[in-house]
Amino acid sequence: DQQVKQNSPSLSVQEGRISILNCDYTNSMFDYFLWYKKYPAEGPTFLISISSIKDKNEDGRFTVFLNKSAKHLSLHIVPSQPGDSAVYFCAAYFDYKLSFGAGTTVTVRA
Amino acid sequence: SQTIHQWPATLVQPVGSPLSLECTVEGTSNPNLYWYRQAAGRGLQLLFYSVGIGQISSEVPQNLSASRPQDRQFILSSKKLLLSDSGFYLCAWGETGGEQYFGPGTRLTVT
Repeated sequence: DQQVKQNSPSLSVQEGRISILNCDYTNSMFDYFLWYKKYPAEGPTFLISISSIKDKNEDGRFTVFLNKSAKHLSLHIVPSQPGDSAVYFCAAYFDYKLSFGAGTTVTVRA
Repeated sequence: SQTIHQWPATLVQPVGSPLSLECTVEGTSNPNLYWYRQAAGRGLQLLFYSVGIGQISSEVPQNLSASRPQDRQFILSSKKLLLSDSGFYLCAWGETGGEQYFGPGTRLTVT
Protein backbone atom coordinates (compact mmCIF):
# COMPACT_ATOMS: atom_id res chain seq x y z
CA ASP A 1 0.00 0.00 0.00
CA GLN A 2 1.20 3.49 -0.79
CA GLN A 3 1.72 5.34 2.48
CA VAL A 4 3.03 8.54 0.92
CA LYS A 5 1.16 10.15 -1.96
CA GLN A 6 1.93 13.01 -4.29
CA ASN A 7 -1.29 13.50 -6.18
CA SER A 8 0.02 16.03 -8.70
CA PRO A 9 2.30 14.34 -11.22
CA SER A 10 3.34 17.65 -12.74
CA LEU A 11 3.50 21.36 -12.04
CA SER A 12 4.32 24.22 -14.43
CA VAL A 13 5.28 27.59 -12.97
CA GLN A 14 6.64 30.84 -14.34
CA GLU A 15 10.15 31.89 -13.37
CA GLY A 16 10.09 34.12 -10.31
CA ARG A 17 6.76 32.83 -9.03
CA ILE A 18 6.08 30.42 -6.18
CA SER A 19 6.06 26.65 -6.65
CA ILE A 20 3.92 24.70 -4.17
CA LEU A 21 4.27 20.92 -4.02
CA ASN A 22 1.97 18.81 -1.90
CA CYS A 23 2.27 15.45 -0.19
CA ASP A 24 -0.10 13.35 1.93
CA TYR A 25 0.70 10.41 4.16
CA THR A 26 -1.32 7.80 5.99
CA ASN A 27 1.01 6.33 8.63
CA SER A 28 0.91 8.31 11.86
CA MET A 29 4.14 6.61 12.99
CA PHE A 30 6.23 8.64 10.52
CA ASP A 31 8.42 10.97 12.58
CA TYR A 32 10.54 12.76 10.01
CA PHE A 33 9.74 14.10 6.56
CA LEU A 34 12.02 14.99 3.68
CA TRP A 35 12.01 16.43 0.19
CA TYR A 36 14.39 15.31 -2.53
CA LYS A 37 15.13 16.73 -5.96
CA LYS A 38 16.04 14.48 -8.85
CA TYR A 39 17.36 15.08 -12.34
CA PRO A 40 17.07 12.35 -15.02
CA ALA A 41 19.66 9.57 -14.76
CA GLU A 42 20.99 10.91 -11.44
CA GLY A 43 20.45 9.99 -7.82
CA PRO A 44 18.07 12.14 -5.74
CA THR A 45 19.63 14.96 -3.76
CA PHE A 46 18.40 15.91 -0.33
CA LEU A 47 16.71 19.33 -0.18
CA ILE A 48 15.08 19.96 3.16
CA SER A 49 13.52 18.07 6.05
CA ILE A 50 11.22 18.59 9.00
CA SER A 51 10.71 16.76 12.26
CA SER A 52 7.22 15.75 13.28
CA ILE A 53 7.47 18.05 16.31
CA LYS A 54 7.73 21.12 14.10
CA ASP A 55 5.32 22.72 11.64
CA LYS A 56 7.73 24.73 9.51
CA ASN A 57 11.33 24.63 8.40
CA GLU A 58 13.01 27.12 6.12
CA ASP A 59 16.26 26.98 4.16
CA GLY A 60 16.87 29.78 1.70
CA ARG A 61 14.28 29.62 -1.07
CA PHE A 62 12.81 26.37 0.27
CA THR A 63 10.22 26.10 3.05
CA VAL A 64 8.52 22.92 4.19
CA PHE A 65 5.24 23.01 6.10
CA LEU A 66 3.84 20.10 8.11
CA ASN A 67 0.21 19.72 9.18
CA LYS A 68 0.16 16.61 11.36
CA SER A 69 -3.56 16.64 12.00
CA ALA A 70 -4.21 16.57 8.26
CA LYS A 71 -1.23 14.27 7.57
CA HIS A 72 -0.12 16.72 4.93
CA LEU A 73 3.12 18.46 4.06
CA SER A 74 4.06 20.93 1.40
CA LEU A 75 7.18 22.39 -0.13
CA HIS A 76 7.29 26.03 -1.19
CA ILE A 77 9.98 27.28 -3.56
CA VAL A 78 10.22 31.06 -3.80
CA PRO A 79 11.23 32.43 -6.24
CA SER A 80 11.26 29.57 -8.76
CA GLN A 81 14.30 29.43 -11.00
CA PRO A 82 14.99 27.53 -14.26
CA GLY A 83 17.41 25.23 -12.41
CA ASP A 84 14.53 24.11 -10.20
CA SER A 85 13.05 22.14 -13.11
CA ALA A 86 13.30 18.54 -11.89
CA VAL A 87 11.31 15.77 -10.23
CA TYR A 88 10.60 16.34 -6.54
CA PHE A 89 9.99 13.43 -4.18
CA CYS A 90 8.38 13.62 -0.79
CA ALA A 91 9.59 11.00 1.73
CA ALA A 92 8.63 9.97 5.25
CA TYR A 93 10.84 8.18 7.78
CA PHE A 94 10.09 5.50 10.34
CA ASP A 95 12.08 2.58 11.70
CA TYR A 96 15.22 3.04 9.55
CA LYS A 97 13.22 3.30 6.32
CA LEU A 98 12.04 6.03 3.97
CA SER A 99 8.74 5.73 2.11
CA PHE A 100 8.63 7.81 -1.06
CA GLY A 101 5.85 9.40 -3.03
CA ALA A 102 5.66 8.94 -6.80
CA GLY A 103 7.12 12.37 -7.47
CA THR A 104 6.04 15.67 -9.00
CA THR A 105 7.73 16.96 -12.14
CA VAL A 106 8.27 20.71 -11.90
CA THR A 107 8.82 22.77 -15.02
CA VAL A 108 9.86 26.39 -14.59
CA ARG A 109 8.96 28.50 -17.62
CA ALA A 110 11.01 31.55 -18.62
CA SER B 1 32.92 14.54 3.88
CA GLN B 2 31.03 11.46 2.88
CA THR B 3 30.85 10.12 -0.66
CA ILE B 4 29.00 7.20 -2.14
CA HIS B 5 30.07 5.29 -5.22
CA GLN B 6 28.06 2.98 -7.44
CA TRP B 7 29.12 1.00 -10.45
CA PRO B 8 28.61 0.36 -13.21
CA ALA B 9 26.70 3.44 -14.38
CA THR B 10 24.90 1.51 -17.12
CA LEU B 11 24.46 -2.17 -17.78
CA VAL B 12 22.74 -4.19 -20.51
CA GLN B 13 22.24 -7.84 -19.65
CA PRO B 14 20.34 -10.69 -21.32
CA VAL B 15 17.47 -12.45 -19.57
CA GLY B 16 18.75 -15.27 -17.38
CA SER B 17 22.20 -13.78 -16.81
CA PRO B 18 23.57 -12.99 -13.34
CA LEU B 19 23.82 -9.52 -11.84
CA SER B 20 26.19 -7.86 -9.41
CA LEU B 21 25.95 -4.15 -8.55
CA GLU B 22 28.34 -2.68 -6.03
CA CYS B 23 28.09 0.31 -3.75
CA THR B 24 30.71 1.73 -1.40
CA VAL B 25 30.60 4.62 1.04
CA GLU B 26 33.52 6.71 2.23
CA GLY B 27 33.89 9.08 5.15
CA THR B 28 31.54 7.44 7.64
CA SER B 29 31.43 4.37 9.85
CA ASN B 30 28.63 1.88 10.39
CA PRO B 31 26.19 3.57 8.04
CA ASN B 32 22.75 2.22 7.30
CA LEU B 33 22.79 1.11 3.66
CA TYR B 34 19.92 0.85 1.21
CA TRP B 35 19.09 -0.41 -2.28
CA TYR B 36 16.22 1.20 -4.17
CA ARG B 37 14.79 0.70 -7.64
CA GLN B 38 13.02 3.30 -9.74
CA ALA B 39 11.00 1.87 -12.60
CA ALA B 40 10.24 4.16 -15.54
CA GLY B 41 7.89 6.98 -14.45
CA ARG B 42 7.57 5.61 -10.95
CA GLY B 43 8.74 6.51 -7.46
CA LEU B 44 11.53 4.89 -5.48
CA GLN B 45 10.89 1.39 -4.19
CA LEU B 46 12.98 0.17 -1.26
CA LEU B 47 14.44 -3.25 -2.02
CA PHE B 48 16.87 -3.99 0.82
CA TYR B 49 18.43 -2.26 3.78
CA SER B 50 21.19 -3.09 6.22
CA VAL B 51 21.97 -1.64 9.64
CA GLY B 52 25.21 -3.59 10.06
CA ILE B 53 27.63 -6.10 8.54
CA GLY B 54 25.82 -9.29 7.61
CA GLN B 55 22.40 -7.84 8.50
CA ILE B 56 20.05 -7.64 5.52
CA SER B 57 16.34 -6.84 5.54
CA SER B 58 14.29 -7.48 2.42
CA GLU B 59 11.30 -5.32 1.64
CA VAL B 60 10.04 -6.87 -1.58
CA PRO B 61 10.06 -10.58 -2.44
CA GLN B 62 11.80 -11.05 -5.77
CA ASN B 63 14.72 -12.77 -7.44
CA LEU B 64 17.22 -10.21 -6.15
CA SER B 65 19.43 -10.53 -3.07
CA ALA B 66 21.75 -8.22 -1.17
CA SER B 67 24.90 -8.69 0.88
CA ARG B 68 27.07 -6.52 3.09
CA PRO B 69 30.50 -8.12 3.28
CA GLN B 70 32.17 -5.05 4.77
CA ASP B 71 31.02 -2.09 6.83
CA ARG B 72 30.83 0.32 3.90
CA GLN B 73 30.12 -2.07 1.03
CA PHE B 74 26.71 -3.13 -0.19
CA ILE B 75 26.12 -5.51 -3.10
CA LEU B 76 22.95 -6.25 -5.05
CA SER B 77 22.84 -9.56 -6.88
CA SER B 78 20.71 -11.86 -8.94
CA LYS B 79 21.36 -15.37 -10.19
CA LYS B 80 19.02 -15.02 -13.18
CA LEU B 81 17.70 -11.69 -14.42
CA LEU B 82 14.12 -11.19 -15.58
CA LEU B 83 12.85 -8.57 -18.01
CA SER B 84 10.98 -6.97 -15.10
CA ASP B 85 14.30 -6.32 -13.33
CA SER B 86 15.03 -3.46 -15.73
CA GLY B 87 15.16 -0.10 -14.00
CA PHE B 88 17.31 2.50 -12.31
CA TYR B 89 19.01 1.12 -9.20
CA LEU B 90 20.08 3.44 -6.43
CA CYS B 91 22.23 2.85 -3.41
CA ALA B 92 21.91 5.15 -0.41
CA TRP B 93 23.45 5.56 3.00
CA GLY B 94 22.05 7.17 6.11
CA GLU B 95 22.43 7.54 9.83
CA THR B 96 19.60 6.43 12.07
CA GLY B 97 17.04 9.18 12.28
CA GLY B 98 16.32 10.58 8.85
CA GLU B 99 18.31 11.79 5.89
CA GLN B 100 19.56 9.34 3.33
CA TYR B 101 22.12 10.23 0.68
CA PHE B 102 22.04 8.63 -2.72
CA GLY B 103 24.64 7.44 -5.17
CA PRO B 104 24.59 8.26 -8.89
CA GLY B 105 22.59 5.15 -9.81
CA THR B 106 22.91 2.26 -12.27
CA ARG B 107 20.69 2.03 -15.32
CA LEU B 108 19.99 -1.69 -15.89
CA THR B 109 18.38 -2.87 -19.10
CA VAL B 110 17.50 -6.54 -19.35
CA THR B 111 17.03 -7.67 -22.96
